[in-house]
Amino acid sequence: DIQMTQSPSSLSASVGDRVTITCQASQDISNYLNWYQQKPGKAPKLLIYDASNLETGVPSRFSGSGSGTDFTFTISSLQPEDIATYYCQQYDNLPPTFGQGTKVEIK
Amino acid sequence: EVQLVESGGGLVQPGGSLRLSCAASGFTVSSNYMSWVRQAPGKGLEWVSVIYSGGSTYYADSVKGRFTISRDNSKNTLYLQMNSLRAEDTAVYYCARESIGIAAPFTLAYWGQGTLVTVSS
Repeated sequence: DIQMTQSPSSLSASVGDRVTITCQASQDISNYLNWYQQKPGKAPKLLIYDASNLETGVPSRFSGSGSGTDFTFTISSLQPEDIATYYCQQYDNLPPTFGQGTKVEIK
Repeated sequence: EVQLVESGGGLVQPGGSLRLSCAASGFTVSSNYMSWVRQAPGKGLEWVSVIYSGGSTYYADSVKGRFTISRDNSKNTLYLQMNSLRAEDTAVYYCARESIGIAAPFTLAYWGQGTLVTVSS
């Protein structure tokens, strides 16, 4: 199985800050990488697909980049409603696998 | 509007069985890729199983041989039959489907609210 390693596991930032999360795959996954947001008690929400494409209706402050094994997820200006856990997910190979998550909090 | 509503969760003893349902509306289950994803309490997301539109099914190694994914086209409902349940199967189980217009079975844009399965004596 492809292992997905996210860092950091948690972060604390101020409103308006730029937040960056990285995700590393254990092997080349091209751009078959999605990012999800999960708020407490809620189902995950797709934010970014194919590494860099913004899902319809998702605010433009969210973005993604990368290919191969190294990927980055960015919130350009952190908002209070962005408090959540963020997961990367590869779907290059079965089984699709998720990173361990990054919990984002407000400082 | 796409909607997914899970049901069937509950408390079951180790070794027991449970069947989860996912009632879909706004689209046809048999025409899409449908997955089950679970989340143990306080833990991350784990993909469990998928059924393709053509009927092929795949499972995570952790549930292979114990869980069975299926669908009832007449009821537009997805199922997960879970047998030989273990404590480590305790989780919220979500059903999910791929994004409209993206031919990627595991780009999961639509999720149900989840149903909690607790395996304990």
